[in-house]
Amino acid sequence: GAGVSQSPRYKVAKRGQDVALRCDPISGHVSLFWYQQALGQGPEFLTYFQNEAQLDKSGLPSDRFFAERPEGSVSTLKIQRTQQEDSAVYLCASSSYIPGLVDEQYFGPGTRLTVT
Amino acid sequence: AQSVTQLDSHVSVSEGTPVLLRCNYSSSYSPSLFWYVQHPNKGLQLLLKYTSAATLVKGINGFEAEFKKSETSFHLTKPSAHMSDAAEYFCVVSNTDKLIFGTGTRLQVFP
Repeated sequence: GAGVSQSPRYKVAKRGQDVALRCDPISGHVSLFWYQQALGQGPEFLTYFQNEAQLDKSGLPSDRFFAERPEGSVSTLKIQRTQQEDSAVYLCASSSYIPGLVDEQYFGPGTRLTVT
Repeated sequence: AQSVTQLDSHVSVSEGTPVLLRCNYSSSYSPSLFWYVQHPNKGLQLLLKYTSAATLVKGINGFEAEFKKSETSFHLTKPSAHMSDAAEYFCVVSNTDKLIFGTGTRLQVFP
């Protein structure tokens, strides 16, 4: 079956522009996560959705970052007024939800954002 | 707070020799621990996971890891490296839903 897909795969933005990154999770997966991976680093958690509810946004680095999942499926990560430090790979992951258990997260290929 | 420390940023081995990638964890609770692999231009793939069942966990592609509570370690091993194992490996901890990644170990395999 289809895995997690992300678009675009590559995005170049001029400093100050707004960008929108899309994630299509595995069908039926309740949980959806966004991570940011800077060059040479491990991914860092940004935010988590269970269906359409954003349950944790503690990792969003500033109020320029905004994520939504209005119908509990596709999610969009929006970055306003991009800065050079926003340059990174943005990873989306999805998983099924099993109360009390940490289930495997399936990752998409990522969107590489370069801010010039 | 939870964290993982990957003790080596780079590991180089010859094809056919054993692989050891080291990871120590810190957690106030009984943790779930994972190893993920990232090949160039590919998504992260789960190798194996520990969730308080057997302490020796077997994963895909011949990898395994042993959970040692007394040493707070979760080292990844493979008896014989293959050229296709060259990649970035991440040790990961979680006790809720979000994953906390280590900084990664780049494995190089020489012929």
